[in-house]
Amino acid sequence: AQKVTQAQTEISVVEKEDVTLDCVYETRDTTYYLFWYKQPPSGELVFLIRRNSFDEQNEISGRYSWNFQKSTSSFNFTITASQVVDSAVYFCALRILTGGGNKLTFGTGTQLKVEL
Amino acid sequence: EPEVTQTPSHQVTQMGQEVILRCVPISNHLYFYWYRQILGQKVEFLVSFYNNEISEKSEIFDDQFSVERPDGSNFTLKIRSTKLEDSAMYFCASSSGGLSEQFFGPGTRLTVL
Repeated sequence: AQKVTQAQTEISVVEKEDVTLDCVYETRDTTYYLFWYKQPPSGELVFLIRRNSFDEQNEISGRYSWNFQKSTSSFNFTITASQVVDSAVYFCALRILTGGGNKLTFGTGTQLKVEL
Repeated sequence: EPEVTQTPSHQVTQMGQEVILRCVPISNHLYFYWYRQILGQKVEFLVSFYNNEISEKSEIFDDQFSVERPDGSNFTLKIRSTKLEDSAMYFCASSSGGLSEQFFGPGTRLTVL
């Protein structure tokens, strides 16, 4: 069975600091997809990124970057120069292709607090 | 920008009552999902739906739950006889393809008293 671990329950940083959110996944499948979602205090889930298991290139989008390391089964998320608006719960999720339903398996989330 | 919508935003019900949570997925999407999040916990998969049938369901999705796409736009989740432990935020999601990213609605907070 697949599993996603986000060991950091809560992280507090001061604005403009860089912060990395860790995500470790487990699956026996060789083909899978990894995702990050943001859940701000308003409660909705906002899609941030999707990565497939064959694409280990790191990705940068503005202040966000993602580091996918298949060798360590990790898909970490870094926010550069954090801002108060980045305060949210961030979820990492995994989707495997067996099962047919395309379900997302979520980690427990990391609460990020960015303070002035 | 198209988005998934859900109604109501908050539903309060008595234990044992039936509830129907409604979702309007993004219009050209073909895959539909329900997830739930008990307060302070992780998001859990309930069911996925494609081509008018359930393609996968979790252990949580027992006989008390059902889903339906009654017309070309709505996707509903029914809980037949609610229990206290059904209190949670219920998220609907949709995707254009099975491998595409899932876009989530704002959620319906269900409170069972």
